[in-house]
Amino acid sequence: GQNIDQPTEMTATEGAIVQINCTYQTSGFNGLFWYQQHAGEAPTFLSYNVLDGLEEKGRFSSFLSRSKGYSYLLLKELQMKDSASYLCAVMDSNYQLIWGAGTKLIIKP
Amino acid sequence: ETGVTQTPRHLVMGMTNKKSLKCEQHLGHNAMYWYKQSAKKPLELMFVYSLEERVENNSVPSRFSPECPNSSHLFLHLHTLQPEDSALYLCASSQVSDNTGELFFGEGSRLTVL
Repeated sequence: GQNIDQPTEMTATEGAIVQINCTYQTSGFNGLFWYQQHAGEAPTFLSYNVLDGLEEKGRFSSFLSRSKGYSYLLLKELQMKDSASYLCAVMDSNYQLIWGAGTKLIIKP
Repeated sequence: ETGVTQTPRHLVMGMTNKKSLKCEQHLGHNAMYWYKQSAKKPLELMFVYSLEERVENNSVPSRFSPECPNSSHLFLHLHTLQPEDSALYLCASSQVSDNTGELFFGEGSRLTVL
Protein backbone atom coordinates (compact mmCIF):
# COMPACT_ATOMS: atom_id res chain seq x y z
CA GLY A 1 0.00 0.00 0.00
CA GLN A 2 0.89 3.62 -0.21
CA ASN A 3 2.12 5.39 2.89
CA ILE A 4 3.39 8.76 4.04
CA ASP A 5 5.07 9.03 7.45
CA GLN A 6 5.79 12.22 9.35
CA PRO A 7 6.08 12.94 13.08
CA THR A 8 2.84 13.73 14.84
CA GLU A 9 4.13 16.68 16.83
CA MET A 10 7.32 18.70 17.27
CA THR A 11 8.29 21.54 19.57
CA ALA A 12 10.89 24.20 18.86
CA THR A 13 12.03 27.55 20.24
CA GLU A 14 11.45 30.94 18.70
CA GLY A 15 14.46 31.99 16.64
CA ALA A 16 15.75 28.43 16.24
CA ILE A 17 15.75 26.02 13.29
CA VAL A 18 13.52 22.97 12.93
CA GLN A 19 13.47 20.14 10.40
CA ILE A 20 10.28 18.20 9.72
CA ASN A 21 10.87 14.87 8.02
CA CYS A 22 8.60 12.98 5.65
CA THR A 23 9.18 9.49 4.28
CA TYR A 24 7.03 7.95 1.61
CA GLN A 25 6.26 4.70 -0.14
CA THR A 26 4.07 5.25 -3.17
CA SER A 27 3.22 3.72 -6.52
CA GLY A 28 5.33 6.00 -8.65
CA PHE A 29 6.30 9.59 -8.00
CA ASN A 30 5.27 12.82 -9.66
CA GLY A 31 6.27 15.33 -7.03
CA LEU A 32 6.13 16.06 -3.32
CA PHE A 33 4.25 18.92 -1.69
CA TRP A 34 4.40 20.67 1.66
CA TYR A 35 1.38 22.57 2.92
CA GLN A 36 0.97 24.69 6.05
CA GLN A 37 -2.29 24.69 7.98
CA HIS A 38 -2.93 27.04 10.88
CA ALA A 39 -5.62 25.93 13.32
CA GLY A 40 -9.06 26.64 11.90
CA GLU A 41 -7.68 27.80 8.57
CA ALA A 42 -7.19 26.46 5.07
CA PRO A 43 -4.06 24.51 4.16
CA THR A 44 -1.80 26.72 2.05
CA PHE A 45 0.90 25.66 -0.39
CA LEU A 46 4.51 25.97 0.75
CA SER A 47 6.65 24.02 -1.70
CA TYR A 48 6.82 21.50 -4.51
CA ASN A 49 9.81 19.23 -5.22
CA VAL A 50 10.03 16.90 -8.18
CA LEU A 51 13.82 16.70 -8.60
CA ASP A 52 16.38 15.78 -5.96
CA GLY A 53 17.92 18.57 -3.98
CA LEU A 54 17.10 21.60 -1.93
CA GLU A 55 14.60 24.28 -2.84
CA GLU A 56 14.92 27.47 -0.81
CA LYS A 57 12.16 30.01 -0.37
CA GLY A 58 12.93 32.63 2.23
CA ARG A 59 13.01 31.14 5.72
CA PHE A 60 11.60 27.84 4.42
CA SER A 61 13.51 25.18 2.46
CA SER A 62 12.40 21.78 1.22
CA PHE A 63 14.67 18.87 0.36
CA LEU A 64 13.96 15.75 -1.66
CA SER A 65 15.76 12.44 -2.16
CA ARG A 66 13.76 10.22 -4.50
CA SER A 67 16.09 7.25 -4.09
CA LYS A 68 15.51 7.29 -0.33
CA GLY A 69 11.82 8.19 -0.48
CA TYR A 70 12.57 11.09 1.84
CA SER A 71 11.90 14.77 2.16
CA TYR A 72 12.27 17.38 4.83
CA LEU A 73 10.97 20.87 5.41
CA LEU A 74 13.46 23.20 7.09
CA LEU A 75 12.22 26.28 8.89
CA LYS A 76 14.79 28.87 9.96
CA GLU A 77 14.55 31.83 12.34
CA LEU A 78 11.35 30.44 13.77
CA GLN A 79 8.57 32.87 14.59
CA MET A 80 5.53 32.34 16.78
CA LYS A 81 3.33 32.53 13.67
CA ASP A 82 5.04 29.37 12.37
CA SER A 83 3.03 27.37 14.91
CA ALA A 84 0.86 25.27 12.62
CA SER A 85 0.44 21.81 11.14
CA TYR A 86 2.67 20.91 8.21
CA LEU A 87 1.27 18.44 5.71
CA CYS A 88 3.41 16.31 3.40
CA ALA A 89 1.80 14.92 0.24
CA VAL A 90 3.13 12.87 -2.68
CA MET A 91 1.64 12.70 -6.17
CA ASP A 92 1.72 9.10 -7.34
CA SER A 93 1.94 7.64 -10.85
CA ASN A 94 -1.81 8.22 -11.35
CA TYR A 95 -1.40 11.87 -10.36
CA GLN A 96 -3.31 11.22 -7.15
CA LEU A 97 -2.17 13.01 -3.99
CA ILE A 98 -1.29 10.74 -1.06
CA TRP A 99 -1.28 12.67 2.20
CA GLY A 100 0.53 12.30 5.48
CA ALA A 101 -1.35 12.89 8.74
CA GLY A 102 0.51 16.15 9.32
CA THR A 103 3.05 17.38 11.87
CA LYS A 104 1.85 19.81 14.50
CA LEU A 105 4.65 22.28 15.19
CA ILE A 106 4.58 24.14 18.50
CA ILE A 107 6.82 27.19 18.86
CA LYS A 108 7.76 28.28 22.38
CA PRO A 109 9.14 31.71 23.31
CA GLU B 1 -8.00 34.69 1.59
CA THR B 2 -7.28 31.76 -0.72
CA GLY B 3 -9.93 32.47 -3.34
CA VAL B 4 -11.99 29.47 -2.21
CA THR B 5 -14.97 30.19 0.03
CA GLN B 6 -16.87 27.59 2.00
CA THR B 7 -20.18 27.94 3.82
CA PRO B 8 -21.25 27.29 6.46
CA ARG B 9 -18.08 27.32 8.53
CA HIS B 10 -19.77 25.31 11.27
CA LEU B 11 -22.72 22.93 11.09
CA VAL B 12 -24.39 20.79 13.73
CA MET B 13 -26.96 18.30 12.54
CA GLY B 14 -28.91 15.33 13.75
CA MET B 15 -28.70 11.97 12.08
CA THR B 16 -32.03 12.45 10.34
CA ASN B 17 -31.37 15.94 8.99
CA LYS B 18 -30.59 16.97 5.42
CA LYS B 19 -28.11 19.77 4.88
CA SER B 20 -25.70 20.99 2.22
CA LEU B 21 -22.18 22.37 2.22
CA LYS B 22 -21.30 24.98 -0.38
CA CYS B 23 -18.00 25.87 -1.99
CA GLU B 24 -17.22 28.67 -4.42
CA GLN B 25 -13.90 29.40 -6.09
CA HIS B 26 -12.93 32.74 -7.62
CA LEU B 27 -9.68 31.58 -9.24
CA GLY B 28 -10.91 30.48 -12.66
CA HIS B 29 -9.86 26.90 -11.96
CA ASN B 30 -11.36 23.93 -13.79
CA ALA B 31 -11.14 21.22 -11.11
CA MET B 32 -12.75 21.06 -7.67
CA TYR B 33 -12.42 18.60 -4.82
CA TRP B 34 -14.04 17.55 -1.55
CA TYR B 35 -11.74 16.28 1.19
CA LYS B 36 -12.54 14.98 4.67
CA GLN B 37 -10.10 15.92 7.44
CA SER B 38 -10.28 14.05 10.75
CA ALA B 39 -8.00 14.69 13.70
CA LYS B 40 -4.56 13.11 13.34
CA LYS B 41 -5.51 11.38 10.08
CA PRO B 42 -4.41 12.06 6.51
CA LEU B 43 -6.70 14.05 4.26
CA GLU B 44 -9.21 11.73 2.60
CA LEU B 45 -10.19 12.56 -0.96
CA MET B 46 -13.95 12.13 -1.40
CA PHE B 47 -14.86 13.53 -4.82
CA VAL B 48 -13.14 15.17 -7.76
CA TYR B 49 -14.76 17.19 -10.50
CA SER B 50 -12.77 18.14 -13.58
CA LEU B 51 -14.40 20.38 -16.18
CA GLU B 52 -17.66 19.95 -14.25
CA GLU B 53 -17.68 16.17 -14.64
CA ARG B 54 -17.14 13.83 -11.72
CA VAL B 55 -13.95 11.91 -12.38
CA GLU B 56 -13.41 10.25 -9.04
CA ASN B 57 -15.49 8.89 -6.22
CA ASN B 58 -13.37 7.20 -3.59
CA SER B 59 -15.97 4.73 -2.33
CA VAL B 60 -17.77 7.37 -0.35
CA PRO B 61 -21.04 6.32 1.33
CA SER B 62 -24.15 7.34 -0.57
CA ARG B 63 -25.25 9.55 2.34
CA PHE B 64 -22.78 12.06 0.82
CA SER B 65 -23.90 13.38 -2.57
CA PRO B 66 -21.83 15.92 -4.54
CA GLU B 67 -23.10 18.40 -7.08
CA CYS B 68 -21.09 20.62 -9.42
CA PRO B 69 -23.43 22.92 -11.39
CA ASN B 70 -20.55 24.90 -12.95
CA SER B 71 -16.80 25.24 -12.69
CA SER B 72 -17.01 27.77 -9.85
CA HIS B 73 -19.44 26.03 -7.51
CA LEU B 74 -19.43 22.73 -5.67
CA PHE B 75 -21.92 21.33 -3.19
CA LEU B 76 -21.90 18.41 -0.81
CA HIS B 77 -25.39 17.25 0.11
CA LEU B 78 -25.66 15.43 3.41
CA HIS B 79 -28.44 13.13 4.63
CA THR B 80 -28.84 10.53 7.36
CA LEU B 81 -25.26 11.00 8.51
CA GLN B 82 -23.57 9.06 11.27
CA PRO B 83 -21.63 10.45 14.26
CA GLU B 84 -18.38 9.16 12.71
CA ASP B 85 -18.97 11.57 9.82
CA SER B 86 -18.15 14.45 12.17
CA ALA B 87 -15.04 16.09 10.68
CA LEU B 88 -13.74 19.11 8.84
CA TYR B 89 -14.80 19.05 5.19
CA LEU B 90 -12.40 20.90 2.93
CA CYS B 91 -13.07 22.09 -0.58
CA ALA B 92 -10.17 22.70 -2.95
CA SER B 93 -9.65 23.81 -6.52
CA SER B 94 -6.85 23.53 -9.05
CA GLN B 95 -6.04 24.18 -12.67
CA VAL B 96 -5.79 20.87 -14.50
CA SER B 97 -3.17 22.21 -16.90
CA ASP B 98 -0.91 23.22 -14.01
CA ASN B 99 1.89 20.64 -13.93
CA THR B 100 2.51 21.11 -10.23
CA GLY B 101 -1.05 20.18 -9.30
CA GLU B 102 -1.11 22.81 -6.56
CA LEU B 103 -4.38 22.83 -4.64
CA PHE B 104 -6.08 25.92 -3.25
CA PHE B 105 -8.16 25.09 -0.19
CA GLY B 106 -11.09 26.73 1.49
CA GLU B 107 -11.12 27.10 5.27
CA GLY B 108 -13.46 24.17 5.66
CA SER B 109 -16.86 23.39 7.09
CA ARG B 110 -16.69 21.89 10.59
CA LEU B 111 -19.47 19.29 10.76
CA THR B 112 -20.77 17.77 13.99
CA VAL B 113 -23.31 14.95 13.77
CA LEU B 114 -25.23 14.30 16.95
